[in-house]
Amino acid sequence: AQKITQTQPGMFVQEKEAVTLDCTYDTSDPSYGLFWYKQPSSGEMIFLIYQGSYDQQNATEGRYSLNFQKARKSANLVISASQLGDSAMYFCAMRDQSSASKIIFGSGTRLSIRP
Amino acid sequence: DTGVSQNPRHKITKRGQNVTFRCDPISEHNRLYWYRQTLGQGPEFLTYFQNEAQLEKSRLLSDRFSAERPKGSFSTLEIQRTEQGDSAMYLCASKDDDQPQHFGDGTRLSIL
Repeated sequence: AQKITQTQPGMFVQEKEAVTLDCTYDTSDPSYGLFWYKQPSSGEMIFLIYQGSYDQQNATEGRYSLNFQKARKSANLVISASQLGDSAMYFCAMRDQSSASKIIFGSGTRLSIRP
Repeated sequence: DTGVSQNPRHKITKRGQNVTFRCDPISEHNRLYWYRQTLGQGPEFLTYFQNEAQLEKSRLLSDRFSAERPKGSFSTLEIQRTEQGDSAMYLCASKDDDQPQHFGDGTRLSIL
């Protein structure tokens, strides 16, 4: 069964520091995709970054990078130079080939940036 | 690209009433998804449409829930005989092939 685990319910980080949000996953499918979404207090889910299981390089999008360690089944999100506007819930999610439609979300990490 | 639009943003209703939510996806997106998110949790998949065809439904979608996408554009999610446990944020997402899902702002449902 597919599963996403986020073990950090909440994190506090000083502004301008880098932060790593942990995510581990479980799937028996060799082909899958991993996502990170940001959800501010207003409620919308904002797509941040995607990593395919066969991608050779770690995904990067601006200040976001995904530390993909396939053997460990981890897909941590790294945010460099954090900003106050980064304060939000962050969800790791996965789609695999057995269910090409839906994505499974983790329980999320609440990130708070201190000024 | 005007984004995924959901209406209403908030709905408060008494237990036992029926409610209907609407989702307007990004216009060129052929796939549409409904999720439910309860407080402190990640979204849970409810159902999925490709064009007008409903291709997958979660076991979470009891017989009180029904979703439609009659013309392959907007979609509605109806909950009949609402219960306290239906209180949640209902999120809609759409996507095109090889693209990530884009979410709307959600409809927050509160059952009194």
